[in-house]
Amino acid sequence: EAGVAQSPRYKIIEKRQSVAFWCNPISGHATLYWYQQILGQGPKLLIQFQNNGVVDDSQLPKDRFSAERLKGVDSTLKIQPAKLEDSAVYLCASSLEEGGKLRGDIQYFGAGTRLSVL
Amino acid sequence: LAKTTQPISMDSYEGQEVNITCSHNNIATNDYITWYQQFPSQGPRFIIQGYKTKVTNEVASLFIPADRKSSTLSLPRVSLSDTAVYYCLVGDMSGTYKYIFGTGTRLKVLA
Repeated sequence: EAGVAQSPRYKIIEKRQSVAFWCNPISGHATLYWYQQILGQGPKLLIQFQNNGVVDDSQLPKDRFSAERLKGVDSTLKIQPAKLEDSAVYLCASSLEEGGKLRGDIQYFGAGTRLSVL
Repeated sequence: LAKTTQPISMDSYEGQEVNITCSHNNIATNDYITWYQQFPSQGPRFIIQGYKTKVTNEVASLFIPADRKSSTLSLPRVSLSDTAVYYCLVGDMSGTYKYIFGTGTRLKVLA
């Protein structure tokens, strides 16, 4: 079974530039998550999709971050414009069940995209 | 928000059993307890999940007391390759149901 695919693996940009990350979840997984992981910290949920609808984006900085999951499959996370504090690893995860119904839904993570903002 | 508390770091030697305890006083009735492992430059990976008593799989055991306010991940006979960060998760009951990752426990296995 193919895992969660993310690209690119690394990205270096200057502040105020734009950047986009792509994620392809495991086939058949209804729920897709984007996390931000700053060095030395645990992942922080940015946005959660159930199929192509947003379930939770309460921690997404909406003035600069946006995400979409067209057709309920792959997803794109964009930052525009980037700030120095956005330097982090951006992780995508997916889970089989529709989010929220099972309180033990196992998430499968991609390798992440490491973003450096200079 | 639901919170979990784990030790920040632990050291162990190869071949020893390692027990990492997680405190989750506000766990809800329907929540499962899930543990993930994360190596550098990788995303977290599922290790084990349980609801009550004891669960065992090929890599770990999970012990959960009757009140479910804590849980213990047990790694038998660790090797150098078990050096990683381990996260304990339970659900967040406020607002939309979601998992909250803490800072995890950084396990270092020494030769």
